[in-house]
Amino acid sequence: GQQLNQSPQSMFIQEGEDVSMNCTSSSIFNTWLWYKQEPGEGPVLLIALYKAGELTSNGRLTAQFGITRKDSFLNISASIPSDVGIYFCAGTVRAGGTSYGKLTFGQGTILTVHP
Amino acid sequence: DGGITQSPKYLFRKEGQNVTLSCEQNLNHDAMYWYRQDPGQGLRLIYYSQIVNDFQKGDIAEGYSVSREKKESFPLTVTSAQKNPTAFYLCASSIDTLSRDEQYFGPGTRLTVT
Repeated sequence: GQQLNQSPQSMFIQEGEDVSMNCTSSSIFNTWLWYKQEPGEGPVLLIALYKAGELTSNGRLTAQFGITRKDSFLNISASIPSDVGIYFCAGTVRAGGTSYGKLTFGQGTILTVHP
Repeated sequence: DGGITQSPKYLFRKEGQNVTLSCEQNLNHDAMYWYRQDPGQGLRLIYYSQIVNDFQKGDIAEGYSVSREKKESFPLTVTSAQKNPTAFYLCASSIDTLSRDEQYFGPGTRLTVT
């Protein structure tokens, strides 16, 4: 089945720094989603991408759908302590117009922000 | 407020007992999902339902069962046949499986079996 390789596995940064993380796959994905999960909580959707080359922002977050459709990246600008959490990428493959709701998840990037 | 609720937040059971986790949504979504998350790992799909009275096995369905009798409810039963039931269980929903792929998650239930 499809697999997503998410990197880096963890990041330790100072408040105010920019952050970049990415997901890659050996196969094509039709949709890329980025989620943030805080300890003991469910993931929260940050950004959804549906078109190759699409660049979408949500506040200080920016995500792009790679041109090859095999990768996506998420940038966080001017990080703040509340950015701490685990960031997951997820993708879908559509066949016959549907993904059957099946998301493939990356392993997550653990972000720690030092004040 | 529209959203997904899961109850309880923490659940403790003895080995050999079945336990049912609740998931309710008032988003009017057709599709619902159950995932399992283990420490340091991503999410793995247990079961999903695209419409009422229909559901399919995900990647790790063994030892679990579900029902979808109402659009807003998708309970998960962890049976005694599940070998490693201790985990964080997440329920999600999406508008459908045709138009949009975004899934929205509940707060999760942490199940501990001893």
